[in-house]
Amino acid sequence: AQSVAQPEDQVNVAEGNPLTVKCTYSVSGNPYLFWYVQYPNRGLQFLLKYITGDNLVKGSYGFEAEFNKSQTSFHLKKPSALVSDSALYFCAVRASGSGYSTLTFGKGTMLLVSP
Amino acid sequence: EPEVTQTPSHQVTQMGQEVILRCVPISNHLYFYWYRQILGQKVEFLVSFYNNEISEKSEIFDDQFSVERPDGSNFTLKIRSTKLEDSAMYFCASSPVRENIQYFGAGTRLSVL
Repeated sequence: AQSVAQPEDQVNVAEGNPLTVKCTYSVSGNPYLFWYVQYPNRGLQFLLKYITGDNLVKGSYGFEAEFNKSQTSFHLKKPSALVSDSALYFCAVRASGSGYSTLTFGKGTMLLVSP
Repeated sequence: EPEVTQTPSHQVTQMGQEVILRCVPISNHLYFYWYRQILGQKVEFLVSFYNNEISEKSEIFDDQFSVERPDGSNFTLKIRSTKLEDSAMYFCASSPVRENIQYFGAGTRLSVL
């Protein structure tokens, strides 16, 4: 079975500082990894994905994530946080190959960026 | 930009009643999904649908649930006899191919009283 762990319920950071939201995963075979963001009363918005290739992937709104196979991690990062980045962030994993199309989500990490 | 749309945004129902949640996936997408998120908990997979049939379903998706694509645009989730524990936000998603990004709607909040 596949699973995702987001160890932090909340991350607090001051505007302009770098941010990291942590994610580790467990899956059989090669993982497909995703980050989604959820603003209040809104659906999940896709931020970025890792399928294959470069371990550092860049996504929307200046976010990036680094795939680390040995540590089974896919941490979300941004060099300089904005107050508008405050939202709930979900990491998700899917196993590659047929029969595994479903996404398994972590419990989410609330990011609070203070002015 | 094309988006997944869900109606209604909020549905209130009495326990034991049937509800139908509606979704219009992005027009050229082939795979459709329903997920739910109970308040304060993680997003959970319910079911995936391709080529007019269920391709995968979770343990949550029991006989009380069904999905249908009644025409070329709508994708519905029916709960036959709602229970209090069905109260949650239900998200529809679609993707052009299996391995690609899933695009989510804004969700329908179901409140079972």
